[in-house]
Amino acid sequence: KAGVTQTPRYLIKTRGQQVTLSCSPISGHRSVSWYQQTPGQGLQFLFEYFSETQRNKGNFPGRFSGRQFSNSRSEMNVSTLELGDSALYLCASSLITNTGELFFGEGSRLTVL
Amino acid sequence: GNSVTQMEGPVTLSEEAFLTINCTYTATGYPSLFWYVQYPGEGLQLLLKATKADDKGSNKGFEATYRKETTSFHLEKGSVQVSDSAVYFCALRTSQGGSEKLVFGKGTKLTVNP
Repeated sequence: KAGVTQTPRYLIKTRGQQVTLSCSPISGHRSVSWYQQTPGQGLQFLFEYFSETQRNKGNFPGRFSGRQFSNSRSEMNVSTLELGDSALYLCASSLITNTGELFFGEGSRLTVL
Repeated sequence: GNSVTQMEGPVTLSEEAFLTINCTYTATGYPSLFWYVQYPGEGLQLLLKATKADDKGSNKGFEATYRKETTSFHLEKGSVQVSDSAVYFCALRTSQGGSEKLVFGKGTKLTVNP
């Protein structure tokens, strides 16, 4: 069974650009969450989607947005990139909500120059 | 608000040593507690979990007991191996409208030397 797939794995952008990251959850999983991981702040929750609806959102500026498609695949977008957006962005999926058992992808490492 | 505090690392041990990584939490309600592990270059994997007070989660020789009176969920292993070298994250989840949001500690890096 394929795991959570994130693309691209690595990318380099410059300040002011925008970026779109993609996440394909495990087949049958309808809940997708996104986290930002940095050395200083650790893992911080960005947002969660279930059946194409955003169920929860973390404390990030409006430059961070996401969506989920009918096949449960999800994308997140960061506009007007800042140096501080450099991080590993992790996507996680789960089969049944209310369990806390998340299956993580390997992440997309974003470097902003 | 909800938060998780882990002992700061890094932790360096010799193979077969005893491991303890401390984790305490602050939460409203009755959270579920988790330990996730991140091996180099990989995403996080669920290691073990406990959903109510006094529950003990266990997996791969690791154990953690949900202690409500001390709001703790310390991770232990009796004899570590080189392959256990990784970053360990303690996390909690509270029931908030069915959301899957987890609150993570900052992680503890473990290095096991042969």
